[in-house]
Amino acid sequence: DGGITQSPKYLFRKEGQNVTLSCEQNLNHDAMYWYRQDPGQGLRLIYYSQIVNDFQKGDIAEGYSVSREKKESFPLTVTSAQKNPTAFYLCASKTSGGITRDTQYFGPGTRLTVL
Amino acid sequence: GENVEQHPSTLSVQEGDSAVIKCTYSDSASNYFPWYKQELGKGPQLIIDIRSNVGEKKDQRIAVTLNKTAKHFSLHITETQPEDSAVYFCAASIRTHNFNKFYFGSGTKLNVKP
Repeated sequence: DGGITQSPKYLFRKEGQNVTLSCEQNLNHDAMYWYRQDPGQGLRLIYYSQIVNDFQKGDIAEGYSVSREKKESFPLTVTSAQKNPTAFYLCASKTSGGITRDTQYFGPGTRLTVL
Repeated sequence: GENVEQHPSTLSVQEGDSAVIKCTYSDSASNYFPWYKQELGKGPQLIIDIRSNVGEKKDQRIAVTLNKTAKHFSLHITETQPEDSAVYFCAASIRTHNFNKFYFGSGTKLNVKP
């Protein structure tokens, strides 16, 4: 899991509530990503950020929001507008230059369950 | 956009046999192809990768081949061991404006029987 931490590991939410998933990295990486993983499916991109104070929508951004106020932190908020939020959420990061510029590192994930 | 397809979805082999997982991609601009291993309840771990200017790469029991013309790449695991059992994902990455966007296959669940 390298230097990426996600918390909490498990999260339970009632319908209609917003929840925020934490992602922190100490790898000094510029780019950070949020993916959603559902059973039997590949990872789908929710949001990504190339630098601090900048982020872009991915393929399934509806019902989610992010912020990037610090280089090491990229929290994801799952809002009540997300119709089917139960999933495994993965945060990732990568550097922007150098020999490992293409390599993406993942955190351990947060499993969100809506009750 | 890019579309990555991965086969098979499940693969069962006997310990010591080889396992092959195949992926195809659609966008010829993809230039980086990583493979990840994911154990239950954990994040994916990079196991091997290949760039578009290389046809084959090997790391001990693991190898990846890339055919740019046909737009497919494969993961080969030789002398499989029970600890190789996991879900494996392929991905294709397009690097534009100094930024990589990744597209993932749907995963292959590998079961190595002792």
